[in-house]
Amino acid sequence: GEDVEQSLFLSVREGDSSVINCTYTDSSSTYLYWYKQEPGAGLQLLTYIFSNMDMKQDQRLTVLLNKKDKHLSLRIADTQTGDSAIYFCAERAYSGAGSYQLTFGKGTKLSVIP
Amino acid sequence: KAGVTQTPRYLIKTRGQQVTLSCSPISGHRSVSWYQQTPGQGLQFLFEYFSETQRNKGNFPGRFSGRQFSNSRSEMNVSTLELGDSALYLCATQRQAGEVNEQFFGPGTRLTVL
Repeated sequence: GEDVEQSLFLSVREGDSSVINCTYTDSSSTYLYWYKQEPGAGLQLLTYIFSNMDMKQDQRLTVLLNKKDKHLSLRIADTQTGDSAIYFCAERAYSGAGSYQLTFGKGTKLSVIP
Repeated sequence: KAGVTQTPRYLIKTRGQQVTLSCSPISGHRSVSWYQQTPGQGLQFLFEYFSETQRNKGNFPGRFSGRQFSNSRSEMNVSTLELGDSALYLCATQRQAGEVNEQFFGPGTRLTVL
């Protein structure tokens, strides 16, 4: 089955860049997502990348996709204290009968030091 | 445009009881997926509904069931509750337009089983 791996913790200073890494195993994944979860809240879609792309930039967020190594990263430029949260990487893969499902990593807890 | 809504937000039940959770998707979204989030197992896929039909089911016991109505609203039911069912239950709806595929999550229902 599919498995998505992320490091569990990342600590950065305010103003620095954060890079959160993720590896996935299903080469047929069509979309890869990054979600943010703040304490007590649901998942907020930050960005996603289609599998035929190598990079996607959206304001302070840059997603890089290395399909050969099945590696995905999320870079947050000028990290702010409000970016402190858990970040989940997820892959969308076909699971049959016209259905797709998301498989999530365990999440990376980002702590921003003022 | 209103986001994904889930009711209730919090629920406390005792072992052996049953519970029904509700999810209203974003207008126009016909696919609803359910996920269970626990500290130990992370985010796990429960099932997906599309046009009132279950298209896909995760690896959960038969005590977990769901349905979808003609207006795309979905409910999930858990019968004979166990302590281990305590979790955050999230529903997600998706928008597909060409190469755009966005999966939006609701705020979740926090279920505590005593």
